[in-house]
Amino acid sequence: NAGVTQTPKFRVLKTGQSMTLLCAQDMNHEYMYWYRQDPGMGLRLIHYSVGEGTTAKGEVPDGYNVSRLKKQNFLLGLESAAPSQTSVYFCASSYELAGDTQYFGPGTRLTVL
Amino acid sequence: AQSVAQPEDQVNVAEGNPLTVKCTYSVSGNPYLFWYVQYPNRGLQFLLKYITGDNLVKGSYGFEAEFNKSQTSFHLKKPSALVSDSALYFCAVRDPGFNKFYFGSGTKLNVKP
Repeated sequence: NAGVTQTPKFRVLKTGQSMTLLCAQDMNHEYMYWYRQDPGMGLRLIHYSVGEGTTAKGEVPDGYNVSRLKKQNFLLGLESAAPSQTSVYFCASSYELAGDTQYFGPGTRLTVL
Repeated sequence: AQSVAQPEDQVNVAEGNPLTVKCTYSVSGNPYLFWYVQYPNRGLQFLLKYITGDNLVKGSYGFEAEFNKSQTSFHLKKPSALVSDSALYFCAVRDPGFNKFYFGSGTKLNVKP
């Protein structure tokens, strides 16, 4: 099992450009999450999904969109990147929602100039 | 407000000595509590969790944590630290009544030979 994988690992964007981050999991998990990690702030939840075809807002959803067209994939989109979106993005998945362990991908380091 | 706090940005300990990484939480109801570890340039890895039952929870790599409801704390402990334990540690909490997951800001553990 590859677990949770993220593509790409690094990316540099100019302000206003768009991009999509791809997360894939091969554990047949129902739940998937996108977080951003910033120094001194821990991880903050951007969006999450409780199953194929569903998405919901997390703590910091503004400026991001997501889609879960297939159970194994969870896409995070930035339509018009801003420097404030410079961060490390982590995807995670879990079998259950409430008390279950989350499995994290290796992260994507995004810089917006 | 739902939150989790890690009051120490950094903890320094000598190899072989016991270590404690502190975490306090503020949620309504009975929380689900987690500890994750992050090594450089890696995603987070699950260490242990408390859902219900015995207040002392044992996890991976010899770590354990004690749930204290009256003090709303969930401190991570290890009897004898290893240099390889040096990493960033995150406490996380989920309020079962909400589909949200909150992470602390992280504590950097430095174990010196």
